Amino acid sequence: ETGVTQTPRHLVMGMTNKKSLKCEQHLGHNAMYWYKQSAKKPLELMFVYSLEERVENNSVPSRFSPECPNSSHLFLHLHTLQPEDSALYLCASSQDRRGQRVTQYFGPGTRLLVL
Amino acid sequence: AQSVTQLDSQVPVFEEAPVELRCNYSSSVSVYLFWYVQYPNQGLQLLLKYLSGSTLVKGINGFEAEFNKSQTSFHLRKPSVHISDTAEYFCAVSYNQGGKLIFGQGTELSVKP
Repeated sequence: ETGVTQTPRHLVMGMTNKKSLKCEQHLGHNAMYWYKQSAKKPLELMFVYSLEERVENNSVPSRFSPECPNSSHLFLHLHTLQPEDSALYLCASSQDRRGQRVTQYFGPGTRLLVL
Repeated sequence: AQSVTQLDSQVPVFEEAPVELRCNYSSSVSVYLFWYVQYPNQGLQLLLKYLSGSTLVKGINGFEAEFNKSQTSFHLRKPSVHISDTAEYFCAVSYNQGGKLIFGQGTELSVKP
């Protein structure tokens, strides 16, 4: 599946580092999403972008900063993270956010470890 | 509150046996329903979806699910599982609120030889 790609696939960072996660969708979709998946917890929706505009921010700490420069690319900038931020970060996209075009397609994820 | 419940956190089953993974959601007038599969160290792959029409939905890898509005359920079934079906399965529901998906906790399917 190459519809949604994510880089890097694995990332180890210290608490003082700054890094970025990248997501790219090749499906011509208008909406993109960031999720956090921690062990033994349900998927947590972090951010939603629609046509490059952020439309939802689910009380995510400011050490996570999303960016959507165009409808195909989504970034998650990370700085001064905590060990509890270690998780699998998943990107997804959908055609739209209304009606029957809401099916989300996921990337392979970035496994993040914060030391 | 809108919620999705996957009734079994783990389902062990022998190869070639049938399996059913259960999913219930809180009632709503209009919902879209999805099942995703996640293999170790990978993202979520769409198995099947119900948007409208026939309540019996067929997906990839021989899986199917039935939308039951009166019981607010969307159980996933496969008549004969393979070792390669070992994975975590997630049920998700869209209540048509800006594309937001509500996910269940996941069911870990373990297929043994």
